[in-house]
Amino acid sequence: GAGVSQSPSNKVTEKGKDVELRCDPISGHTALYWYRQRLGQGLEFLIYFQGNSAPDKSGLPSDRFSAERTGESVSTLTIQRTQQEDSAVYLCASSFWLAADNEQFFGPGTRLTVL
Amino acid sequence: KNQVEQSPQSLIILEGKNCTLQCNYTVSPFSNLRWYKQDTGRGPVSLTIMTFSENTKSNGRYTATLDADTKQSSLHITASQLSDSASYICVVSQGPGGSYIPTFGRGTSLIVHP
Repeated sequence: GAGVSQSPSNKVTEKGKDVELRCDPISGHTALYWYRQRLGQGLEFLIYFQGNSAPDKSGLPSDRFSAERTGESVSTLTIQRTQQEDSAVYLCASSFWLAADNEQFFGPGTRLTVL
Repeated sequence: KNQVEQSPQSLIILEGKNCTLQCNYTVSPFSNLRWYKQDTGRGPVSLTIMTFSENTKSNGRYTATLDADTKQSSLHITASQLSDSASYICVVSQGPGGSYIPTFGRGTSLIVHP
């Protein structure tokens, strides 16, 4: 497909387990962003990539969160030792390049539920 | 601190009626303002983008306005349809010297009843 895809669409895990969320951006898009959206809340920025580099990791909530991107394509967001407060929808977006006027195209999100 | 405030938080209207959503921001330096539509269970989709020099822009039944002096924007929906039921998010991006990370509002949840 031509859009941003994310997998899995839903993930239910037990507290303390690690989870890995995947994002496939639009081909050719050099910038990639991860956001978290808690129920009824706005989007919370987590991290962005320009190519394979993440210049700004200040949005990651704790050291349990990490992300990587390879081949200027797929990105994974890993949450270690999940907690119930990690339950949210995790959205990925990509844009052609890293610029304020570049539209971000969003994926459908991964709904994470931590029991 | 960069902030985007949206009102109302939620809105219920009857099909065929018009409505207006509001967005106030304190983001500086300003580059552009986007309105996104987020259907339930989907990612946000851009409806319009407004730059500093633009006052009004239309996209079908959606019309966005921008007053850069008062730092206010509105999204007007004409002749609402059931498919307009969604969350509408105002997003403001910074200009040169600012952050690459846009500032998101919390959104207005719109429900259109038949």
